[in-house]
Amino acid sequence: DAGVIQSPRHEVTEMGQEVTLRCKPISGHDYLFWYRQTMMRGLELLIYFNNNVPIDDSGMPEDRFSAKMPNASFSTLKIQPSEPRDSAVYFCASSFGQGSSPLHFGNGTRLTVT
Amino acid sequence: GQQLNQSPQSMFIQEGEDVSMNCTSSSIFNTWLWYKQDPGEGPVLLIALYKAGELTSNGRLTAQFGITRKDSFLNISASIPSDVGIYFCAGSQAGTALIFGKGTTLSVSS
Repeated sequence: DAGVIQSPRHEVTEMGQEVTLRCKPISGHDYLFWYRQTMMRGLELLIYFNNNVPIDDSGMPEDRFSAKMPNASFSTLKIQPSEPRDSAVYFCASSFGQGSSPLHFGNGTRLTVT
Repeated sequence: GQQLNQSPQSMFIQEGEDVSMNCTSSSIFNTWLWYKQDPGEGPVLLIALYKAGELTSNGRLTAQFGITRKDSFLNISASIPSDVGIYFCAGSQAGTALIFGKGTTLSVSS
């Protein structure tokens, strides 16, 4: 079991640039979640998918953020254009089932926007 | 939206001491989970609780699902240096995604 795989591990970019974060969930898991972690706000749920369909995107901060899941083994989170306040660690997590099912997290992407 | 209040925010203890942290909510949850995050890594599940009153252990860790279904606590006995990290509680209601507390940062001095 390779676990949830995220790339890149670190991303440094300039304000205004497009950023794409990638995630490969655990095979067989039907839910995929994107979280953002900051010191001030902790772990915030941005969006989650069930069977590749977005279910709840109410946590997405604004229109600059978008997420896709073209198939069961891949998801992207895109920020365009990026801003310094987007600097955070972004986690992808997957689970089999929702709610009571434990999430398995990737190791995150640390994003720095200068 | 729903919020989980996790306390304390941070703890500084000596190796060998016991640790206790808790989470409360204004809403009823039907699942409580406890995670630990090491530096540079994602949170890892420690204990899952699915029933009010349930008491579950995982080695030196013990967690309980409160009778009111609005709280949970985690105890660590005889702490060791590798217990250092951030501990998160998480809860969910039926059909909803997990909500996380803001974490308890544990420091252990030897």
